[in-house]
Amino acid sequence: GAGVSQSPRYKVAKRGQDVALRCDPISGHVSLFWYQQALGQGPEFLTYFQNEAQLDKSGLPSDRFFAERPEGSVSTLKIQRTQQEDSAVYLCASSLPDREAFFGQGTRLTVV
Amino acid sequence: AQSVAQPEDQVNVAEGNPLTVKCTYSVSGNPYLFWYVQYPNRGLQFLLKYITGDNLVKGSYGFEAEFNKSQTSFHLKKPSALVSDSALYFCAVRGSSGNTGKLIFGQGTTLQVKP
Repeated sequence: GAGVSQSPRYKVAKRGQDVALRCDPISGHVSLFWYQQALGQGPEFLTYFQNEAQLDKSGLPSDRFFAERPEGSVSTLKIQRTQQEDSAVYLCASSLPDREAFFGQGTRLTVV
Repeated sequence: AQSVAQPEDQVNVAEGNPLTVKCTYSVSGNPYLFWYVQYPNRGLQFLLKYITGDNLVKGSYGFEAEFNKSQTSFHLKKPSALVSDSALYFCAVRGSSGNTGKLIFGQGTTLQVKP
């Protein structure tokens, strides 16, 4: 596609609900990243995929967060039992190896 | 540990004047440095990067940045600001070796250009 596409753009979840956020990277981009951006802050790294392999998940804040990219293209970030502190914008980015990352518009998650 | 500092929360400049948005970094090894811009309700857009070579890097929309190794800085500059440049700017760093490519971002600087 022309750019990184994320869906939904906005998600409101009740506390305790599970959510799934989708990312369609740029076609052919091997690397895929997820970031979390709290209000008024810079994005913070969550996890990294190279094709289907999750090579770095050091930024996932708890075991309630899970990401997958089973066929090396589309990725899903899942958050179980959402808490208010999970409210943020979740950004997905993709890139060619050692090249600059291109970001999607993000999914704004609000936990009420 | 890698880190990035953007010491100014906000920069105000008059249209037509030069602008500078400051960034300093800390990283082991040679740094890869990036600037991104974020408009309201939009994702981050890549502006420019420094990997190696000339210390002055030119990027999109007339922006440039100067890499200074001794001062560990990578300030973003533009000779003549436009009102449309008003946005949130992020500096980011990536280590050059043994790295997955993840970026460490600064807190961001809001640029306000007034007519």
